[in-house]
Amino acid sequence: AQSVTQPDIHITVSEGASLELRCNYSYGATPYLFWYVQSPGQGLQLLLKYFSGDTLVQGIKGFEAEFKRSQSSFNLRKPSVHWSDAAEYFCAVGSQMEYGNKLVFGAGTILRVKS
Amino acid sequence: NAGVMQNPRHLVRRRGQEARLRCSPMKGHSHVYWYRQLPEEGLKFMVYLQKENIIDESGMPKERFSAEFPKEGPSILRIQQVVRGDSAAYFCASSRGQNNEQFFGPGTRLTVL
Repeated sequence: AQSVTQPDIHITVSEGASLELRCNYSYGATPYLFWYVQSPGQGLQLLLKYFSGDTLVQGIKGFEAEFKRSQSSFNLRKPSVHWSDAAEYFCAVGSQMEYGNKLVFGAGTILRVKS
Repeated sequence: NAGVMQNPRHLVRRRGQEARLRCSPMKGHSHVYWYRQLPEEGLKFMVYLQKENIIDESGMPKERFSAEFPKEGPSILRIQQVVRGDSAAYFCASSRGQNNEQFFGPGTRLTVL
């Protein structure tokens, strides 16, 4: 069965500092991988996705993520965090083999940005 | 092009009442997914529907919950005889095809008193 682990429940970084949010997945075949961001009381916005090809994926708002098959990881990075990045971030995995593409989400990482 | 629409945004019900949550997918999208987010947890898949068909309901509780996506109109998630444990945010997502990107609605926050 698919699963996603986000080891860090909370992360606090200073504005302007770099950020890395960790995500590990469990899936037998090549997965679809996603990062979503959720602001309080809001829906989810897709930051970036990996389906195939280049393992370094660029997303919106200056985010990027790297797919590492050997480590079953898809960590999210940003070189310089802005206060507006404070939100909750979810990593998700979807199946390529099954019909449909239901997503399995991690528990989320809450990012706090201090000035 | 309007995004995924959900209504109501907030819904309050007393124990034993029924809750109906509506989701209108994006234009041109015929695949709808429902997810539930319990407090301080990630989203959990509930059901995947195409027009007039339930494709995968492996995440739906066996009792009290049902979903439909009729030929005309929005998708409906129905919860009968709600209990306090049903209090959660319910998100709908839609996609153009079965392996395309899912776009999420703003969610319906259900509170059961």
